[in-house]
Amino acid sequence: ETAVFQTPNYHVTQVGNEVSFNCKQTLGHDTMYWYKQDSKKLLKIMFSYNNKQLIVNETVPRRFSPQSSDKAHLNLRIKSVEPEDSAVYLCASSSSGDSDYTFGSGTRLLVI
Amino acid sequence: SQLAEENPWALSVHEGESVTVNCSYKTSITALQWYRQKSGEGPAQLILIRSNEREKRNGRLRATLDTSSQSSSLSITATRCEDTAVYFCATDPSSGSWQLIFGSGTQLTVMP
Repeated sequence: ETAVFQTPNYHVTQVGNEVSFNCKQTLGHDTMYWYKQDSKKLLKIMFSYNNKQLIVNETVPRRFSPQSSDKAHLNLRIKSVEPEDSAVYLCASSSSGDSDYTFGSGTRLLVI
Repeated sequence: SQLAEENPWALSVHEGESVTVNCSYKTSITALQWYRQKSGEGPAQLILIRSNEREKRNGRLRATLDTSSQSSSLSITATRCEDTAVYFCATDPSSGSWQLIFGSGTQLTVMP
């Protein structure tokens, strides 16, 4: 099956903890993304990464960092979570120059 | 304010009826995409319409694009309960752009 796979589906953690979310795509795409979706369903780009370039949305706090081992994987680490980080984090992938994006099912984070 | 925005914010119809969701955007674009997000899932692309196209169809779905008024619409005919979802438009601002800009979404509920 070719798709974008995210783990975990849900994560509950306390303020100040570090968390890491995994994303893998088996579509052969060369670009991956992380989006944050808030409680009002607003989707905001956080990072874009291909094997040449990492682009960071400058509004993303520095406690967030993407981690990639190869073009099929893009993980997201949050160093010290805060309550406003509670959201759904969506991973997506596409091919360079192609507007066909495929999203994963998301990781739901609750910070208590 | 949002660079892309759908209206209305929410819609309810009965099965078999037709429905239209509208989108207005504020940037020049190379393409506009419509996505559907069902509860607990990531967004799934429905239609991609390029800036030189005026209409695109995909089964029961029909998208239109008017670049002069910076607006688009998505129509669904013969709606089904499984069409219940949030519908987003997303703009691809320029060739080689690294991100999609999503609207705030329209919640469509299709009742039996």
